[in-house]
Amino acid sequence: GQNIDQPTEMTATEGAIVQINCTYQTSGFNGLFWYQQHAGEAPTFLSYNVLDGLEEKGRFSSFLSRSKGYSYLLLKELQMKDSASYLCAVEDSNYQLIWGAGTKLIIKP
Amino acid sequence: DAMVIQNPRYQVTQFGKPVTLSCSQTLNHNVMYWYQQKSSQAPKLLFHYYDKDFNNEADTPDNFQSRRPNTSFCFLDIRSPGLGDAAMYLCATSRTSGSYNEQFFGPGTRLTVL
Repeated sequence: GQNIDQPTEMTATEGAIVQINCTYQTSGFNGLFWYQQHAGEAPTFLSYNVLDGLEEKGRFSSFLSRSKGYSYLLLKELQMKDSASYLCAVEDSNYQLIWGAGTKLIIKP
Repeated sequence: DAMVIQNPRYQVTQFGKPVTLSCSQTLNHNVMYWYQQKSSQAPKLLFHYYDKDFNNEADTPDNFQSRRPNTSFCFLDIRSPGLGDAAMYLCATSRTSGSYNEQFFGPGTRLTVL
């Protein structure tokens, strides 16, 4: 079967750095997405990785290792507004997105 | 601004009373999706359309139907809502169904079933 695993919840301090991990087992791989979802709102696109390595975009970076079926989202200089759920999604061989359940990130002052 | 719009944002219905949720997009994307998302769970794909080609997920209950009369609009019909259908319903679009399938989401409709 297809499976995306990410931690259910994480807590971090304002100004700090946090890494949210995602491991996946899917039938084929055509890319990995990270989305941010604030409570009661729709997901919004953060990043896309299809090749191994690190993609940096401002305070957010995303890393991919296809051989390990592993990705992480790195958030630097955390702000209170970063409190949200972070969803990992993999595009499988049929170009369908397989979604993780999300990691709820709680930022404390 | 180009966007995905969902109406209503909040919908309350009674057990067994049909309800229709609507979605429109100004992005001119070929693909439209309907997802169901319950609290702290992954979005669950119900259907998607590539243009007018309808694709029903294997485990989508028959209680859920969808229509896409034109490129811009898509509807989700729940024929006889049960308590278990209470959820956030998300509409999304993407330009193609190929690789780099970034999906753009509407704000969602939160459905309550009494």
